[in-house]
Amino acid sequence: SAVISQKPSRDICQRGTSLTIQCQVDSQVTMMFWYRQQPGQSLTLIATANQGSEATYESGFVIDKFPISRPNLTFSTLTVSNMSPEDSSIYLCSVATSGRSYNEQFFGPGTRLTVL
Amino acid sequence: GDSVTQMEGPVTLSEEAFLTINCTYTATGYPSLFWYVQYPGEGLQLLLKATKADDKGSNKGFEATYRKETTSFHLEKGSVQVSDSAVYFCALNFGNEKLTFGTGTRLTIIP
Repeated sequence: SAVISQKPSRDICQRGTSLTIQCQVDSQVTMMFWYRQQPGQSLTLIATANQGSEATYESGFVIDKFPISRPNLTFSTLTVSNMSPEDSSIYLCSVATSGRSYNEQFFGPGTRLTVL
Repeated sequence: GDSVTQMEGPVTLSEEAFLTINCTYTATGYPSLFWYVQYPGEGLQLLLKATKADDKGSNKGFEATYRKETTSFHLEKGSVQVSDSAVYFCALNFGNEKLTFGTGTRLTIIP
């Protein structure tokens, strides 16, 4: 399975500011995803990060609020823009590879964001 | 759309008790099914999976069988330990597309 790291692991931010979260994988992967886990809730997909093109966003999530980059097959960033307390969540990236275990997704450790 | 319905929690059991966490799904077609576990303060880990009807996924003493007739994927363990205390998520996907998660079930095992 892939080894996934995220930076930062946690942060406390002020309302109105932006935070960029990085996701780094130790091998090339086909798919990268960004999920949000609000306090006490399940995981909700924000978007699929596409290498070399614009991300594909789920209903209720927009590029202006959550811009995503994926410059290559091992790295992606998610920015949470103009933050409000409602954005306080754990943000997780996940990856899926081609091959025998193509339908398995592996998750990073998450970034715990608190917005004051 | 696709959805996963999971047993409401929290669930509290004594050590060595039998565990069942129910999971049913709604989907067009035949998805792959997964159980993920989130230990306190940690990220999400894949516990087990099944990719077609009648497949049984198993890991760390946990088992789940893909039942197409009842669209279910219930998680079971014969004898739970304190270290099994965690939040368990049932999920589905098609191919390497996004995962659709259930709401999660918090399990606490008391000695």
